[in-house]
Amino acid sequence: GNSVTQMEGPVTLSEEAFLTINCTYTATGYPSLFWYVQYPGEGLQLLLKATKADDKGSNKGFEATYRKETTSFHLEKGSVQVSDSAVYFCALREETSGSRLTFGEGTQLTVNP
Amino acid sequence: NAGVTQTPKFQVLKTGQSMTLQCAQDMNHNSMYWYRQDPGMGLRLIYYSASEGTTDKGEVPNGYNVSRLNKREFSLRLESAAPSQTSVYFCASRHRGSGAQYFGPGTRLLVL
Repeated sequence: GNSVTQMEGPVTLSEEAFLTINCTYTATGYPSLFWYVQYPGEGLQLLLKATKADDKGSNKGFEATYRKETTSFHLEKGSVQVSDSAVYFCALREETSGSRLTFGEGTQLTVNP
Repeated sequence: NAGVTQTPKFQVLKTGQSMTLQCAQDMNHNSMYWYRQDPGMGLRLIYYSASEGTTDKGEVPNGYNVSRLNKREFSLRLESAAPSQTSVYFCASRHRGSGAQYFGPGTRLLVL
């Protein structure tokens, strides 16, 4: 079946540091890939997505590139801010499983001033 | 445009009590979902509805029932709550074109 594995947290960085959160996946077909962000006490918000190999999703300074050869979709940001502190979830959707999303366990990010 | 709304925000139940969690979306999405979120386990799909009038089981459906009342509303019912159902419950709806799901703010449920 499908699965998503994320880098274990928590991750603690200083403001303006470089961020990488690793995400790898297992799927039988050609999934779409997503990153969601969850701020404290809120629901998940779509951060970015990519629907095919070599696509790069980007939003709010975050980027992730769909790498089919390494089955990865790592999240990066060049300079994090305190306001980026949140839990980040990687997810996939495969056409053969209809519209269902498979989520990773989430990675807690804390950015200190 | 409120997106996805959920009620209540927080609920405490005793073991064996029943309750219904309400969800509504105003984005005209066909598909809707119920997830539970537990520490260290990400989100797990309970039930989903691909369109009005249809519902299907997800990963963890036991102990729950759902009703797709109309295109806007999708409710989740616990008939006899158990402590293992203590969790945060999220409702979501899906944009057909992008495939992205949009989430409500969640319902925090504590079963004593």
